Amino acid sequence: QVQLVESGGGVVQTGRSLRLSCAASGFIFSNYAFHWVRQAPGKGLEWVAFISNDGNNKYYAESVKGRFTISRDNSKNTLFLEMDSLRPEDTAVYYCARRALPSPTQYMDVWGKGTTVTVSS
Amino acid sequence: QTVVTQEPSFSVSPGGTVTLTCGLTSGSVSTTYCPSWYQQTPGQPPRTLIYSTSTRSSGVPDRFSGSILGNKAALTITGAQAEDESDYYCVLYMGRGIWVFGGGTKLTVL
Repeated sequence: QVQLVESGGGVVQTGRSLRLSCAASGFIFSNYAFHWVRQAPGKGLEWVAFISNDGNNKYYAESVKGRFTISRDNSKNTLFLEMDSLRPEDTAVYYCARRALPSPTQYMDVWGKGTTVTVSS
Repeated sequence: QTVVTQEPSFSVSPGGTVTLTCGLTSGSVSTTYCPSWYQQTPGQPPRTLIYSTSTRSSGVPDRFSGSILGNKAALTITGAQAEDESDYYCVLYMGRGIWVFGGGTKLTVL
């Protein structure tokens, strides 16, 4: 069955780094592009980053540009989000989401359950 | 910076009809923005409801419909049920690899 499972969340101090992973199963990972979306406690959804199916195109929200890096390993069916220089405002549940096919549809059709990142000051 | 706007909250009676909207602080929403809609209940990940303005995702009841109304994208629930009480989010594709979510609408069914 189609599934996305995030991991790597935790409690980290301001200024430190954290790497999130999203393991995919049940579909051909390398055919799909992916997003990271986050949700701060009690707040709405915020788009964070996007990576194309081949990893060659990456885009970021202004709030994380220069601090976060999205990447993928198609041989391991895994998506990553490297988060550096973390701030308290990065505290959120982080979801990975699959961009639907066929291109150029622009919506997210499969979501993981999320992993929680807490940045303490 | 363009912001995607949604009503913060809305209330509907069981069996009633409600239309939630998704606009821009600058400009009009059109199909070019590929509006999509997601439903989220507390503690759960979002669920895809509508994509490409008006296409229902697999398994979504036909009481949910999407459209463009005036200068906004719209999500209409016709015959609201108690289980529709959720948060609803739209997202627009702004081009150049950028997506922006609206702030979400908290829908109460009572």
